[in-house]
Amino acid sequence: EAGVTQFPSHSVIEKGQTVTLRCDPISGHDNLYWYRRVMGKEIKFLLHFVKESKQDESGMPNNRFLAERTGGTYSTLKVQPAELEDSGVYFCASSQVPGENSPLHFGNGTRLTVT
Amino acid sequence: GENVEQHPSTLSVQEGDSAVIKCTYSDSASNYFPWYKQELGKRPQLIIDIRSNVGEKKDQRIAVTLNKTAKHFSLHITETQPEDSAVYFCAAIQYGNKLVFGAGTILRVKS
Repeated sequence: EAGVTQFPSHSVIEKGQTVTLRCDPISGHDNLYWYRRVMGKEIKFLLHFVKESKQDESGMPNNRFLAERTGGTYSTLKVQPAELEDSGVYFCASSQVPGENSPLHFGNGTRLTVT
Repeated sequence: GENVEQHPSTLSVQEGDSAVIKCTYSDSASNYFPWYKQELGKRPQLIIDIRSNVGEKKDQRIAVTLNKTAKHFSLHITETQPEDSAVYFCAAIQYGNKLVFGAGTILRVKS
C-alpha cells in the first residue's frame, strides 16, 4: 500500500510570494487532514476534509491559507502571500474513518521556509 | 477545546535505561490517546494507543498508562536502544473529532 505522499519536501520562498503544497492520501481514505508544526511546538490541526468537503477548518490561521480537495482525491494547500510566521513543517494525514477507529497515516511533510 | 501538555521537552537516557514521557489533557470527554514517533526526517508514525476504557496497554518494550481521573497518560519505554531516539508526540481525541497533539519530546538514547 502506498503511503501518504507530499510534495515538495522542502520549499524556500520569500515573504510575499505564493506557495502551493500538495498531498496525495492513501487510496480509499476519505478523510484528509492538514497539520502544521512550528519549530519546537505541537503539531497543530489546520483542517479536515471528508472527500471533497471541508468538515472542519477551525485551525486555518487566516485567509492567506486556502485548501482544496477537488474530486475528493489529492489536496492542495496554498499560502498567498506568505509571511515569515508561516514557516514550519506542514503535514498531511489521511484515515479511512475519523477518530479512534482508524489511525492517522502521515506524510513526510513539507518543510516551508519563508525568508 | 482540548489542550494537551507534554513533558519533558527533551529527555536523555543511557542505553538500557527506561524513559517516561507524560501528558495531561483538559477535556474529560476525550476517549482515545495515541502516541506517535517521528524519527529525523521521517513521518510521524503511530506506535501505540489507548482507549479510555483501558488503564494500561503494553507492546513489547513500550507501554502506555491512562489515569482518567487525573486526566493524564504516560508512555514508558524500557530497555531503551539507540534506535528509540526520536521525537515522541502524545495526542488526545474525542470521538469523531480531530487529534490534538502535545508539543513533543525529543528522546536521546546514549550508547
